[in-house]
Amino acid sequence: GAGVSQTPSNKVTEKGKYVELRCDPISGHTALYWYRQSLGQGPEFLIYFQGTGAADDSGLPNDRFFAVRPEGSVSTLKIQRTERGDSAVYLCASSQPLAGNTGELFFGEGSRLTVL
Amino acid sequence: KQEVTQIPAALSVPEGENLVLNCSFTDSAIYNLQWFRQDPGKGLTSLLLIQSSQREQTSGRLNASLDKSSGRSTLYIAASQPGDSATYLCAVGLTTDSWGKLQFGAGTQVVVTP
Repeated sequence: GAGVSQTPSNKVTEKGKYVELRCDPISGHTALYWYRQSLGQGPEFLIYFQGTGAADDSGLPNDRFFAVRPEGSVSTLKIQRTERGDSAVYLCASSQPLAGNTGELFFGEGSRLTVL
Repeated sequence: KQEVTQIPAALSVPEGENLVLNCSFTDSAIYNLQWFRQDPGKGLTSLLLIQSSQREQTSGRLNASLDKSSGRSTLYIAASQPGDSATYLCAVGLTTDSWGKLQFGAGTQVVVTP
């Protein structure tokens, strides 16, 4: 597609439920990133994929958070046993392959998660 | 740990004035610095990207400078317009971190009044 697409745009769930957030990156972008943005703050890094593998998952806050990218394109961020503190906007970004890459990240519009 | 600070947190100017937004970072081992714009309830739009070897980048009314040694970047927006109202975020990538693992500031919220 023309840009990074994220679904759903809004998700309201109850504490303890399981949630999946989807990201469809720009076609041809092999690098994919998940960030989380709390109100009034800048985005915080969660995880980075190069192709199908997670190259850096150091930003995942705990083992309730997991992300996959099985075919090297679409990625899903999975949150188990959601807590109220997980409420935030989850942003996905993609960038071009490393060779010749300027490092510019292109972000989607985010998925706003509210845990009641 | 890299700390990225943006001052001021909020700024209001009349239309036509030039905007000066500041970003400072504590670790100078960066590979690039990006400025983003974020409208309410929206994602981030990349404005300018400065590689670590560059001193500045320009795009239209926007100019961003980078001084690695002092850990500072400044975004200038000339002749501001009401449509420039948004939150502006700077982000740095460290050479010691994974590619694309950016450290963001909290942003400067800009209001341009007609």
